[in-house]
Amino acid sequence: NAGVMQNPRHLVRRRGQEARLRCSPVKGHSHVYWYRQLPEEGLKFMVYLQKENIIDESGMPKERFSAEFPKEGPSILRIQQVVRGDSAAYFCASSPRDVGSPLHFGNGTRLTVT
Amino acid sequence: EDQVTQSPEALRLQEGESSSLNCSYTVSGLRGLFWYRQDPGKGPEFLFTLYSAGEEKEKERLKATLTKKESFLHITAPKPEDSATYLCAVDNAGNMLTFGGGTRLMVKP
Repeated sequence: NAGVMQNPRHLVRRRGQEARLRCSPVKGHSHVYWYRQLPEEGLKFMVYLQKENIIDESGMPKERFSAEFPKEGPSILRIQQVVRGDSAAYFCASSPRDVGSPLHFGNGTRLTVT
Repeated sequence: EDQVTQSPEALRLQEGESSSLNCSYTVSGLRGLFWYRQDPGKGPEFLFTLYSAGEEKEKERLKATLTKKESFLHITAPKPEDSATYLCAVDNAGNMLTFGGGTRLMVKP
């Protein structure tokens, strides 16, 4: 049983480039969540998606960040025109439903902006 | 706004020395309190969910308890392999968890 798969594990981008982070949830899970962990800080919620729908994006910066979870394929977190402050570990999690079931996390993508 | 505070930030124990980690929370309507373990370079690994005050859950050397304002993670006779960061999180709306800063546990042989 494969868990949540994230790729790439490490991503280096220069300032101004785009970063695309991919997440394949646990098979059968239709709820996907993205969290960000800045150095020396806790995990912060960014966005909650179901297939083809953004349910809540209250934790995601309004500019440069976008997320999708298409009918087919992985969920994508996209960061345009990256800046040094975007350097962090980005974790994806999935669950089979929205209430009462624990989140299963992937091992994250570590983004470094140079 | 939901708030979760974990203490201590770091804890060093000798192998076999039992202790407790604290998670204090403020939330408008608790749907669940979660404990996770995170190893360096890995994602959080689920340990327990607690739903109501008075509830307790156990797994091997770990026991989690819940009151109306805080949760404790008790570690009995820890081993070096229990060394990790332990995260507490609360859910008040649809699994969009609010995490505490974590307790970094180091168990020396």
